[in-house]
Amino acid sequence: GAVVSQHPSRVICKSGTSVKIECRSLDFQATTMFWYRQFPKQSLMLMATSNEGSKATYEQGVEKDKFLINHASLTLSTLTVTSAHPEDSSFYICSARRGGGAEDTQYFGPGTRLTVL
Amino acid sequence: QKEVEQNSGPLSVPEGAIASLNCTYSDRVSQSFFWYRQYSGKSPELIMSIYSNGDKEDGRFTAQLNKASQYVSLLIRDSQPSDSATYLCAAPGAGTALIFGKGTTLSVSS
Repeated sequence: GAVVSQHPSRVICKSGTSVKIECRSLDFQATTMFWYRQFPKQSLMLMATSNEGSKATYEQGVEKDKFLINHASLTLSTLTVTSAHPEDSSFYICSARRGGGAEDTQYFGPGTRLTVL
Repeated sequence: QKEVEQNSGPLSVPEGAIASLNCTYSDRVSQSFFWYRQYSGKSPELIMSIYSNGDKEDGRFTAQLNKASQYVSLLIRDSQPSDSATYLCAAPGAGTALIFGKGTTLSVSS
């Protein structure tokens, strides 16, 4: 199966700092990657769609100036949480889309647990 | 707006039984459907994809798709305690993103 990695797996930071999370597709090229957030016992929430070489598309209610997304290559997308606050503490998960047409599939990274003190 | 609906559960089955997870979707033109398994504190893992009407089997898992009824299900045979997790149904939304159901929590008791 396809492999997607995320780094770091866990981060604890002070309020006001910025945190960068990397998402890599290790064995396939992903023109599209997605960033999700999940609070405890809640559903996955799509934050944004990241397309290689172009600006990300953010879901309604997600602040694009706070959650900076860069998709500089076909195997790497980054999410930067700027000026993090305790309410940003969550489980951030990326996924990468492989293939195209009717049988394309998304594979998830292992997630990054962010705790803002 | 496209929707994917699942019964949140919990669905409880004894070890060795068949667990049946159901999902309905609102968009008649959806062509592909996915089942993901998510253990507590972990990210979702793809376990099945199905694109055609009928059944698709992979080991103890069988996905069933009925496009006319806009219904997709996942059967888990010989359920094991290690199958206890939340199962997410997904279908393509607008653009390239998947729309996920809220998930069904399965508990398999030994």
